[in-house]
Amino acid sequence: NAGVTQTPKFQVLKTGQSMTLQCAQDMNHNSMYWYRQDPGMGLRLIYYSASEGTTDKGEVPNGYNVSRLNKREFSLRLESAAPSQTSVYFCASSMGLQNTGELFFGEGSRLTVL
Amino acid sequence: AQTVTQSQPEMSVQEAETVTLSCTYDTSESDYYLFWYKQPPSRQMILVIRQEAYKQQNATENRFSVNFQKAAKSFSLKISDSQLGDAAMYFCAYRSAWFGNEKLTFGTGTRLTIIP
Repeated sequence: NAGVTQTPKFQVLKTGQSMTLQCAQDMNHNSMYWYRQDPGMGLRLIYYSASEGTTDKGEVPNGYNVSRLNKREFSLRLESAAPSQTSVYFCASSMGLQNTGELFFGEGSRLTVL
Repeated sequence: AQTVTQSQPEMSVQEAETVTLSCTYDTSESDYYLFWYKQPPSRQMILVIRQEAYKQQNATENRFSVNFQKAAKSFSLKISDSQLGDAAMYFCAYRSAWFGNEKLTFGTGTRLTIIP
């Protein structure tokens, strides 16, 4: 069972370049999330999608866009990468509040912006 | 907005001993979930234990248990008989039980070192 799959696992960009992080889950979950992790900051929510067709901003949305392509897929796009976006990015999913609220995480994507 | 505070950036414990990691949170809600996640060097986020706020009984999972003090807004994690594989970052997290507010808010983490 694959769970939550993120691609790519590693990426190096130059300032101003664009890229998309892909995320897919095979657990039929309703909700999906993008977090970033920085040293000493914990995980901070960038965007989330409570259900197919809806997206909402989290704590740190500036510089990012998202697309909930279908129930399985939730992508994160950096239109013009900046060094401040160097981070580890995690995609997560959950069934929603029908269960006990647990989030299932992907393995993370390390992004470096030079 | 809810906040989660972990005041111990680093902790260490001798193998086979017991250690307690602290977590406090701030919320005006009465119904919510609390979690402890473990992040080993592999970077994978692993759920350790969860607590529903409406349950008075503290959650337990094998060597892991919590001390949930709702009035004090405190949610500490106790690891008994510490093992080398417990070395990791531990994150406390809060989630509202209200529909439409299903985000997880994390603390800044505690790095746990196990001393052989």
